[in-house]
Amino acid sequence: AQSVTQPDIHITVSEGASLELRCNYSYGATPYLFWYVQSPGQGLQLLLKYFSGDTLVQGIKGFEAEFKRSQSSFNLRKPSVHWSDAAEYFCASNDYKLSFGAGTTVTVRA
Amino acid sequence: ETGVTQTPRHLVMGMTNKKSLKCEQHLGHNAMYWYKQSAKKPLELMFVYNFKEQTENNSVPSRFSPECPNSSHLFLHLHTLQPEDSALYLCASSQDSTPGTSGEETQYFGPGTRLLVL
Repeated sequence: AQSVTQPDIHITVSEGASLELRCNYSYGATPYLFWYVQSPGQGLQLLLKYFSGDTLVQGIKGFEAEFKRSQSSFNLRKPSVHWSDAAEYFCASNDYKLSFGAGTTVTVRA
Repeated sequence: ETGVTQTPRHLVMGMTNKKSLKCEQHLGHNAMYWYKQSAKKPLELMFVYNFKEQTENNSVPSRFSPECPNSSHLFLHLHTLQPEDSALYLCASSQDSTPGTSGEETQYFGPGTRLLVL
């Protein structure tokens, strides 16, 4: 069975600093991988996705993620965070159904 | 974003009430999903519909009853709920629910209905 792990429950970062959110998946073959963001009181918005090809994926809002098969990871990065990036971020993988990690809450301090 | 809409956005109901949640997608998709998001827990898949047919029921109690009259609309009928059913209920849609279809199973979510059961 597939599973997704987000090791960090909560990250605090200063505005303008870089951000990296970790995601690890457990599955034999290469799964389809996604990052979603959820602002307070809102649904999930798709940031980016990886199916195959180039392992560095560009998404919306200046986010990117890199698939590393050797590490079973799909970490999300942003070079310079904005206060509006404060939200909860979910990594997900899709084998026969979409499985979500527990989420990482990002707080941005001025 | 208006691709997937949900109504109502907030709902308070007693345990003896009957209410329905509505989801509508304007993306031309064929698959629709209900998820439950409780505090401090991962998202839980409840139901999957593909081309109006239910393809998954993730051991959901019978007090939750889904209905999918067409590929654009999905309902979740609620009756005799319990306080532990209070949560954010999210609807999603995708082109197809079949895995391995090269991205067609990418899911797009609505804003959710915040449900409080008293």
